[in-house]
Amino acid sequence: GQNIDQPTEMTATEGAIVQINCTYQTSGFNGLFWYQQHAGEAPTFLSYNVLDGLEEKGRFSSFLSRSKGYSYLLLKELQMKDSASYLCAGLDSNYQLIWGAGTKLIIKP
Amino acid sequence: IAGITQAPTSQILAAGRRMTLRCTQDMRHNAMYWYRQDLGLGLRLIHYSNTAGTTGKGEVPDGYSVSRANTDDFPLTLASAVPSQTSVYFCASSDTTGENTGELFFGEGSRLTVL
Repeated sequence: GQNIDQPTEMTATEGAIVQINCTYQTSGFNGLFWYQQHAGEAPTFLSYNVLDGLEEKGRFSSFLSRSKGYSYLLLKELQMKDSASYLCAGLDSNYQLIWGAGTKLIIKP
Repeated sequence: IAGITQAPTSQILAAGRRMTLRCTQDMRHNAMYWYRQDLGLGLRLIHYSNTAGTTGKGEVPDGYSVSRANTDDFPLTLASAVPSQTSVYFCASSDTTGENTGELFFGEGSRLTVL
């Protein structure tokens, strides 16, 4: 079956770095997405990886290892506004998105 | 720039009633989707449309129907609502043509409570 696993909740300190991991099992693979979702709001796109390696975009970076079925989202210089849920989603061979349940990130001062 | 507009934003509905959630996009995206989001679960795809005039079933289509008469509109209908359909519903669109990544753009969501 197809599955996306990510931790349910993480806590980090303002100004620090946090890494949110995601492992995936999909029927075929056409890329991996990360979305951010603030409480009560819609998800918004953060990153897309289809090749192995690190993609950096400001304070946020996303890494992919296709051989390990693994990705992570790295958030640097954490700010209080980064408190949100982070959703990992894999794109399967039929170009359908398989979603994880999301990781709720709590930032403490 | 409106992006995707959903209506209503919130609705309380009696079981057995018919309900249509509206979704309109102004980005001329070819693909549109309806998801439901429940606590502790990932987004689950209800129905999708890859282009105007075509629709397909997602992971949880039972009890729901959709239509795609034109590019912009993608309404979701609950023919006879049941309490298990209490959820937050998100409409989304994407441009899956050419070299685009197909990232999703979401509406603000419709919170539906069925009593």
